[in-house]
Amino acid sequence: GAGVSQSPSNKVTEKGKDVELRCDPISGHTALYWYRQSLGQGLEFLIYFQGNSAPDKSGLPSDRFSAERTGGSVSTLTIQRTQQEDSAVYLCASSQRDGNSPLHFGNGTRLTVT
Amino acid sequence: SQELEQSPQSLIVQEGKNLTINCTSSKTLYGLYWYKQKYGEGLIFLMMLQKGGEEKSHEKITAKLDEKKQQSSLHITASQPSHAGIYLCGADLTGANNLFFGTGTRLTVIP
Repeated sequence: GAGVSQSPSNKVTEKGKDVELRCDPISGHTALYWYRQSLGQGLEFLIYFQGNSAPDKSGLPSDRFSAERTGGSVSTLTIQRTQQEDSAVYLCASSQRDGNSPLHFGNGTRLTVT
Repeated sequence: SQELEQSPQSLIVQEGKNLTINCTSSKTLYGLYWYKQKYGEGLIFLMMLQKGGEEKSHEKITAKLDEKKQQSSLHITASQPSHAGIYLCGADLTGANNLFFGTGTRLTVIP
């Protein structure tokens, strides 16, 4: 596609339920990032995938959060047993890993946990 | 990221005025990126700086990276309502192409 695509754009879920957020990066981009943006806050780094290397998971806030990237393309961020504090906009970005390319962001998934 | 500080947090200016937003790190910035975000939308890439002393301009927006590569500024000349939004600086702090972001500066331009 022309840009980074995220789905769903909005998700409302009950506390305790699991959710899956999807990111479809720009074709050919080897690097993929997940960030979280809470209301009025900056971007919080969650996880970074680069090619076939082991992902950098250092930003995941708890073991309820996990992400995978299948076939080096589409990525899924999974939040288990959601809590109200998980409510935020989850942003995905991709880039070419050549050190000279910016990140291209999707429009995000707005998650609301009730 | 607490390693990347932006100032001011919020800025309100009259249309036509110039303004500057700063991004400061305690670590060397391997790459510095400026983005703009409008409410409810994703981030729009503005500029990328990598070399100490580098300066780039696009239309009325100029960004600089200082010689020590620990601070960047974004300057808008003759601001317009279309410049309103949240400006975010993102930086590679480790050389691993992993970007961390500042808390953002919310800019309001009054017509």
